[in-house]
Amino acid sequence: AQSVTQLGSHVSVSEGALVLLRCNYSSSVPPYLFWYVQYPNQGLQLLLKYTTGATLVKGINGFEAEFKKSETSFHLTKPSAHMSDAAEYFCAVSASAGSARQLTFGSGTQLTVLP
Amino acid sequence: ETGVTQSPTHLIKTRGQQVTLRCSSQSGHNTVSWYQQALGQGPQFIFQYYREEENGRGNFPPRFSGLQFPNYSSELNVNALELDDSALYLCASSPAGRGPDTQYFGPGTRLTVL
Repeated sequence: AQSVTQLGSHVSVSEGALVLLRCNYSSSVPPYLFWYVQYPNQGLQLLLKYTTGATLVKGINGFEAEFKKSETSFHLTKPSAHMSDAAEYFCAVSASAGSARQLTFGSGTQLTVLP
Repeated sequence: ETGVTQSPTHLIKTRGQQVTLRCSSQSGHNTVSWYQQALGQGPQFIFQYYREEENGRGNFPPRFSGLQFPNYSSELNVNALELDDSALYLCASSPAGRGPDTQYFGPGTRLTVL
């Protein structure tokens, strides 16, 4: 069974500083991995996804993530935090459920950006 | 903007009641998934519908059921509501040909069970 662990339920960074949100996965098959962002009282927005190919994935809003098979990690980074990045971030892995494909999410990391 | 809408935005019910939540997807999105997100947690997969048939279910009891309609809308029904059913319910649709891993989420329905 696939699972995701997000290290750190809360992360605070100063505006302009590096953002690093950690995600480790467990999967018995080559994983499809995702990062989603959720703003207050809103649904989930896809930031980026890894399926196959290049291990460094670039997403929206300046975010990127690197798939490291040897470390079973898919950490999310952004070189310079902006106040608008404050939100909750979820890492997810795609898995089969019967004939369906389900997303299994981590418990989330709340990002706070300090002025 | 994902083009996925959900109604109602908020809902309050009492224990034992039944509730129906609705989702409307974009044209051509023939797969819809429903997730439950309890406060402070990540979303959990309830089930997925493909071409109006349930084709996968997570660890949820049968009192959680759904329907998908030809017009790309869908429903989540929950019978015999329990206090622990209080959560944000999210639907996500996938466009035909893009694979079910590409999921576009709606804004959710916040259900409170008293």
